[in-house]
Amino acid sequence: AQKVTQAQTEISVVEKEDVTLDCVYETRDTTYYLFWYKQPPSGELVFLIRRNSFDEQNEISGRYSWNFQKSTSSFNFTITASQVVDSAVYFCALKEEGGSEKLVFGKGTKLTVNP
Amino acid sequence: NAGVTQTPKFQVLKTGQSMTLQCAQDMNHEYMSWYRQDPGMGLRLIHYSVGAGITDQGEVPNGYNVSRSTTEDFPLRLLSAAPSQTSVYFCASSHSLGRYEQYFGPGTRLTVT
Repeated sequence: AQKVTQAQTEISVVEKEDVTLDCVYETRDTTYYLFWYKQPPSGELVFLIRRNSFDEQNEISGRYSWNFQKSTSSFNFTITASQVVDSAVYFCALKEEGGSEKLVFGKGTKLTVNP
Repeated sequence: NAGVTQTPKFQVLKTGQSMTLQCAQDMNHEYMSWYRQDPGMGLRLIHYSVGAGITDQGEVPNGYNVSRSTTEDFPLRLLSAAPSQTSVYFCASSHSLGRYEQYFGPGTRLTVT
């Protein structure tokens, strides 16, 4: 069965530090989709990125970057030069192509960026 | 486009009461789902639907019913509320059977006393 593990429950950094949020997934499918979402203190869920299993290119968007490695079943998220506005809970999620149509989320990592 | 709307935003129920959480989307998405969010548990899938007339169970379906009579609406019914159902509920929709971005509603905070 598909599974997403975010081992870091909470992370606290000081502004301008770099921080990496880990995501490890399990699936038997060869085709699947990985996602990251952000949930700021206001509570809404904000989509950050989507990756399919055939695209292992790393992606950079401003201060955000994602490292997808199929060999280690990981899809890690790095924030460079963190800011207080990055404080949020971050969720990693997995959708398999075949079998179940479920989208499964990890338990989330709460990031606190202190000034 | 309103996106995904959920009503109510807040609700307090007594144990044993029933109620329906409403969810609607105007993006013609075939995939819709309900999640509950509890501290330390992340988002757990309750039920999902891949189209009108088709629903299936997620990870935590007990105590909840769903139906999907139209593409737009996906209500979640609590049959007999229990304190364990105190949670924040999110509805989401997506096209292409969930292969793409999920659009989430603003959430419903439910308290069962």
